[in-house]
Amino acid sequence: KNQVEQSPQSLIILEGKNCTLQCNYTVSPFSNLRWYKQDTGRGPVSLTIMTFSENTKSNGRYTATLDADTKQSSLHITASQLSDSASYICVVSAMNSGGYQKVTFGTGTKLQVIP
Amino acid sequence: DSGVTQTPKHLITATGQRVTLRCSPRSGDLSVYWYQQSLDQGLQFLIHYYNGEERAKGNILERFSAQQFPDLHSELNLSSLELGDSALYFCASSVVPTGTPLTSRTEAFFGQGTRLTVV
Repeated sequence: KNQVEQSPQSLIILEGKNCTLQCNYTVSPFSNLRWYKQDTGRGPVSLTIMTFSENTKSNGRYTATLDADTKQSSLHITASQLSDSASYICVVSAMNSGGYQKVTFGTGTKLQVIP
Repeated sequence: DSGVTQTPKHLITATGQRVTLRCSPRSGDLSVYWYQQSLDQGLQFLIHYYNGEERAKGNILERFSAQQFPDLHSELNLSSLELGDSALYFCASSVVPTGTPLTSRTEAFFGQGTRLTVV
């Protein structure tokens, strides 16, 4: 069964500090992994997308890593800002035989950045 | 602004009623996906339409149905509503090339969601 597990479930950090969010998956056959940021009550917005051959992808202060062997990904946030407070969702896609992606969402990590 | 438009933004209705949620995908996107997000829960995939045809079904209840019209907008119909149906309903769209495998970099863009409250 395709699963995506994220940890921690929630996290509180001080403004300016760094943090790392984890994502473990059992999705197969792997196609790509995306990290989304979802502000409360808003639609998710894509931060990064990585395929099998990519180990690291950066988007400003966000850096995602992927280890396809261990099926783990992390999202590192540098010098956090209050606006980083949101849920971060790991989404893993598998390619089915019809060529369409089956998408599995993690339940997210709720990050709160405090002054 | 993702380019995906959902209406209405908020909807309050009574148990047993039927509602229709609407989604207009980004210009040029043929695929529309519907997701349900209950309070403090993850996104649950409901259904995927491509160019008017149903392509994949997720955890969609029989009381729910969807369709995609020739102009590519989609509607999600929720009937015999129960309190537990209260949630955020998101629509996402993406480009899926006709007759070719979905490229790994194809991204789904989400709308702002419809918040449904069943009372």
